[in-house]
Amino acid sequence: DSGVTQTPKHLITATGQRVTLRCSPRSGDLSVYWYQQSLDQGLQFLIQYYNGEERAKGNILERFSAQQFPDLHSELNLSSLELGDSALYFCASSIISGGSNEAFFGQGTRLTVV
Amino acid sequence: AQSVSQHNHHVILSEAASLELGCNYSYGGTVNLFWYVQYPGQHLQLLLKYFSGDPLVKGIKGFEAEFIKSKFSFNLRKPSVQWSDTAEYFCAVKSTYSGAGSYQLTFGKGTKLSVIP
Repeated sequence: DSGVTQTPKHLITATGQRVTLRCSPRSGDLSVYWYQQSLDQGLQFLIQYYNGEERAKGNILERFSAQQFPDLHSELNLSSLELGDSALYFCASSIISGGSNEAFFGQGTRLTVV
Repeated sequence: AQSVSQHNHHVILSEAASLELGCNYSYGGTVNLFWYVQYPGQHLQLLLKYFSGDPLVKGIKGFEAEFIKSKFSFNLRKPSVQWSDTAEYFCAVKSTYSGAGSYQLTFGKGTKLSVIP
């Protein structure tokens, strides 16, 4: 158990819909990262938050957004879903943003868009 | 932007065979290097990491990796694999300076290892 909690574990939804994925980081970790894992693209970095503020953006679509709340949990919102958005979405957390530190990953949310 | 190359998409070995998985990265500055393992249906788990110091790092489950700065490489090794090592292995790189971008991990596409009993 990494200490990073993601809910839900599985999500099945229809095209055009909107979903919210939730991540609770390890206790004390200020930085949260979201990754998308798909068969064709591999593990792609989406976005990072640090202590409530957006720190970096990767290959995140405009239909996707995220935020980190004062209690440090984070939500990833995916809207106008397409079949190609079906993937495993991982959240990771680390103590700080920079420097030498490792990230711990959650179990992931498997999103299936039908 | 950084990129990470893992040379082998799928490796099949018999138990007790030796393993070496290649990883090369593009960024020339100071980096942190990681190997993660993902067992079927599970999340990513850290096998080992290199931050500084001895370029030969030892991780869990008998794995080790060698950082060769001149070759931009961080290859993963294990002298004798077991059936339980069947999993997907990911090399990842993180730059340590904000000037080089943010601090997210950049992953390779992964190498699937199948160990035959």
